[in-house]
Amino acid sequence: GAGVSQSPRYKVAKRGQDVALRCDPISGHVSLFWYQQALGQGPEFLTYFQNEAQLDKSGLPSDRFFAERPEGSVSTLKIQRTQQEDSAVYLCASSLGAGTVTYEQYFGPGTRLTVT
Amino acid sequence: QQQVKQSPQSLIVQKGGISIINCAYENTAFDYFPWYQQFPGKGPALLIAIRPDVSEKKEGRFTISFNKSAKQFSLHIMDSQPGDSATYFCAASSGNTGKLIFGQGTTLQVKP
Repeated sequence: GAGVSQSPRYKVAKRGQDVALRCDPISGHVSLFWYQQALGQGPEFLTYFQNEAQLDKSGLPSDRFFAERPEGSVSTLKIQRTQQEDSAVYLCASSLGAGTVTYEQYFGPGTRLTVT
Repeated sequence: QQQVKQSPQSLIVQKGGISIINCAYENTAFDYFPWYQQFPGKGPALLIAIRPDVSEKKEGRFTISFNKSAKQFSLHIMDSQPGDSATYFCAASSGNTGKLIFGQGTTLQVKP
């Protein structure tokens, strides 16, 4: 079946521009996660949705980062006024269950953001 | 502190050998420990996972060993193959959200 898809795969933005990154989770998956992966590092948690509700945004690095999942399926991560330190791969993951039902997270290929 | 420490940073193994990667954690509330494999330009792919009620789990050539008292767990790759060359991440999670805390990663190279 189809896995998690993300678009665009690559994005180059000039410093100060706004960007929007899209995630299409596996159909029927309740939980959706965003992670940020710097070069040579492990992914770091950004935010979590259960259906359309954003239950945890503790990992968002600044108020320039905003995520939404309005209909409980597709999610968008928006970064306003991009800075060079925002350059990273942004990963989306989805999980069938919510909370303690299941933890298996399936990742998309990521969007590589380069801020120049 | 919610941290997972992974070692070694890099590993070179001969084809057919055993690759061993170790992780240690501090937060005793963690209750799920997955291992992910990542190839360049790809997202992490779930390999195998364990919960703290068992000490070992095996799936094919991959085995997780878990030591709850030492707060450590490890990945063993038996009969390592060149196709196993990738970066491996351990992770841990707890609580109602299931957000994953990742280790720093281990780059494995299997020489033919």
